[in-house]
Amino acid sequence: RKEVEQDPGPFNVPEGATVAFNCTYSNSASQSFFWYRQDCRKEPKLLMSVYSSGNEDGRFTAQLNRASQYISLLIRDSKLSDSATYLCVVTSSNDYKLSFGAGTTVTVRA
Amino acid sequence: DAMVIQNPRYQVTQFGKPVTLSCSQTLNHNVMYWYQQKSSQAPKLLFHYYDKDFNNEADTPDNFQSRRPNTSFCFLDIRSPGLGDAAMYLCATSRIQGETQYFGPGTRLLVL
Repeated sequence: RKEVEQDPGPFNVPEGATVAFNCTYSNSASQSFFWYRQDCRKEPKLLMSVYSSGNEDGRFTAQLNRASQYISLLIRDSKLSDSATYLCVVTSSNDYKLSFGAGTTVTVRA
Repeated sequence: DAMVIQNPRYQVTQFGKPVTLSCSQTLNHNVMYWYQQKSSQAPKLLFHYYDKDFNNEADTPDNFQSRRPNTSFCFLDIRSPGLGDAAMYLCATSRIQGETQYFGPGTRLLVL
């Protein structure tokens, strides 16, 4: 079983729509959670950290459910520029390593 | 200003011909990482340096080596590239282990 699993999508949504997707992780000792964004043929860039109480950053909302071992990302009022692959990333308390999901692709159409 | 720089951005090599990819950073971070990412897959950690301390992942092939001559630079050497080594190679840095990693733009390697 992979450490971090994501629905690959693609999620095709019109501009202005809301899109949400989840990521599950297998290691119950996982401590830190992040969403990275990766544009086609570019490097991953940190979008936001995910905190236990959930957090918002503008149009982006991240939630963590430790009991069910998943995190989610919700994008409100989608823009064309939100089209990208969103990588779920998890680290455990006993090592430094980032465990990446394979990514969820979102395409926002005009 | 670029903080993690990778050169070249695109590299073409021949099957079996050694190749070196370069990464430099202006962040003065202690940790430098090398990842391999194939199409539609997650980045896979190959190894990392904590300062001068080299840490190899158990499943990284012997074909891949790394050097870190100083804090700013780290190199990935592929001794005998195979067709399966064609991928994007990403360098990342962090101040210490466990902190946010900052990625360079990557080097896309093509093996002919």
